[in-house]
Amino acid sequence: AQKVTQAQTEISVVEKEDVTLDCVYETRDTTYYLFWYKQPPSGELVFLIRRNSFDEQNEISGRYSWNFQKSTSSFNFTITASQVVDSAVYFCALSESGTTSGTYKYIFGTGTRLKVLA
Amino acid sequence: DARVTQTPRHKVTEMGQEVTMRCQPILGHNTVFWYRQTMMQGLELLAYFRNRAPLDDSGMPKDRFSAEMPDATLATLKIQPSEPRDSAVYFCASGLGQGRNEKLFFGSGTQLSVL
Repeated sequence: AQKVTQAQTEISVVEKEDVTLDCVYETRDTTYYLFWYKQPPSGELVFLIRRNSFDEQNEISGRYSWNFQKSTSSFNFTITASQVVDSAVYFCALSESGTTSGTYKYIFGTGTRLKVLA
Repeated sequence: DARVTQTPRHKVTEMGQEVTMRCQPILGHNTVFWYRQTMMQGLELLAYFRNRAPLDDSGMPKDRFSAEMPDATLATLKIQPSEPRDSAVYFCASGLGQGRNEKLFFGSGTQLSVL
């Protein structure tokens, strides 16, 4: 079963439009962490944000905002007034307990490719 | 800017050949992760190390893949013998070992093509 689901494979928007990337996760842990990473055309993933399971406050950073809702197991990411430079693949990730004590698993979704057109 | 360095960036090889990919984690980081990225499967965790000890390699096909950290500045991922289905981008990432909340720093990846 997919632990982190990003149902949107690809999204295209016109510059200045707002866009929301969805992420739904599944875990049995009561303590876990959620992340968003950006993979620009250069290839390397870049960390954007992390949230722990006890902090449901939404967060805003410039044009980026994140909406964490534990009740629906979702951690959605919104880009306001999108720009061409936002074009990338965005990954949602979950960190939860591993099968061996003291370890953890860092699981990524399949990613959403965002294309922002000029 | 500290970066995770991966070599080679691109590798084309023939089926049956041995492939070795190298990763230099950021100095001071004590966790290292190997991921494989394909269109079909996305990012799959192959193995991860903490303080050079392997903690989880359950995602790695054991018959042909091996991962090691000979020292704190080098992690290697080896495939022997390689097969066309191994074609993918292989990413190395390192972290400070803060536990489940740690953010990972990724290298640029090794794009492997097995013909």
